[in-house]
Amino acid sequence: GAGVSQTPSNKVTEKGKYVELRCDPISGHTALYWYRQSLGQGPEFLIYFQGTGAADDSGLPNDRFFAVRPEGSVSTLKIQRTERGDSAVYLCASSSYTSGRDDTQYFGPGTRLTVL
Amino acid sequence: GENVEQHPSTLSVQEGDSAVIKCTYSDSASNYFPWYKQELGKRPQLIIDIRSNVGEKKDQRIAVTLNKTAKHFSLHITETQPEDSAVYFCAAQFNFGNEKLTFGTGTRLTIIP
Repeated sequence: GAGVSQTPSNKVTEKGKYVELRCDPISGHTALYWYRQSLGQGPEFLIYFQGTGAADDSGLPNDRFFAVRPEGSVSTLKIQRTERGDSAVYLCASSSYTSGRDDTQYFGPGTRLTVL
Repeated sequence: GENVEQHPSTLSVQEGDSAVIKCTYSDSASNYFPWYKQELGKRPQLIIDIRSNVGEKKDQRIAVTLNKTAKHFSLHITETQPEDSAVYFCAAQFNFGNEKLTFGTGTRLTIIP
């Protein structure tokens, strides 16, 4: 079946602009995660959704970052007033909620965000 | 919160030899430890994982060992092949309902033909 997809694959924006990054999880997966990966680093957790609600948003760096998942499927990560330090690859992952059985997180290809 | 350290940061081995990557974690409550392989410009892909009730798990040329007392786990790749060249990430998770993964900083593995 189809894996996790993310759009756009690349996004170049200017400092101060607003951007939206989209994630389409694997069909039927109730858990959805956003991570950020800087060059040469491992993915860093941002936020986790269980269904429509954000179960853990402790990784969001500040209030310029916000994410939604209104219907429990597609999610959008929104970044306001972008800064050059926001440049990174934003990864989305999804998993089925089966309480410890096959809850593998499957990653999307990522969106490479460049803030000029 | 959880902290995961990974060593070495780079590793070069001759084709056919074995490679070992080591990780330590800080939170004794963590109970799920996956390993991901990431090729250049590609998404991370799970290659093997282990839960805290198991000490070792093997899948063909890949094995993972876990020492809960010492809070460290290792990835072992035997009979390495050129296609094993990639960046490998370990991660830890307190798996009580799909919690977040905390990743190590990665190991760039190069297989020398």
